[in-house]
Amino acid sequence: GAVVSQHPSWVICKSGTSVKIECRSLDFQATTMFWYRQFPKQSLMLMATSNEGSKATYEQGVEKDKFLINHASLTLSTLTVTSAHPEDSSFYICSAVPLGRDIYEQYFGPGTRLTVT
Amino acid sequence: DAKTTQPTSMDCAEGRAANLPCNHSTISGNEYVYWYRQIHSQGPQYIIHGLKNNETNEMASLIITEDRKSSTLILPHATLRDTAVYYCIADTSNSNSGYALNFGKGTSLLVTP
Repeated sequence: GAVVSQHPSWVICKSGTSVKIECRSLDFQATTMFWYRQFPKQSLMLMATSNEGSKATYEQGVEKDKFLINHASLTLSTLTVTSAHPEDSSFYICSAVPLGRDIYEQYFGPGTRLTVT
Repeated sequence: DAKTTQPTSMDCAEGRAANLPCNHSTISGNEYVYWYRQIHSQGPQYIIHGLKNNETNEMASLIITEDRKSSTLILPHATLRDTAVYYCIADTSNSNSGYALNFGKGTSLLVTP
């Protein structure tokens, strides 16, 4: 149980275009989902916390107008990287917390590798 | 905010127990200890968490010292698929949302045949 999927698993896009990444909880509902970013050989860094039906909370240094997050249902959150640039190339990972569970008991998706050329 | 210290890397023979230590000497009374692992190029996987009592689940056991300043994650019979970076997390703040899992550098565990 507690499976999280992400789509796409990898994407290559040209500089200046936008990319949408989906995160779905497949067998549970999640009021809260999280988006992380991981650069090569580095640890995960939290980008934003997404709550169903409300605006996301972004971490310091993360531009909310560049990384648009929508959490429209209890099983789906999306991250849109707008006007992507090569420095946005990274591994983007989402996580979700099953309803009623400890907020730090997070179940992660397999990640989306974004390459901006 | 409790910071953690873990060895950079460890080796373990397949079939043996893997004991991964973690120091969290500044942990406060209400902070839990969480363990995650990340296999190369995959998302992290939740393993276990605890406050002060030892915990066990189908994946691992967590032993927390009485003073809560350190803990050990035990994988009782390590397999090659347990090769991963293991993160001990006892710092869950310093975030705008208040819900950050601060992963740190972790321990790279290599299970050998």
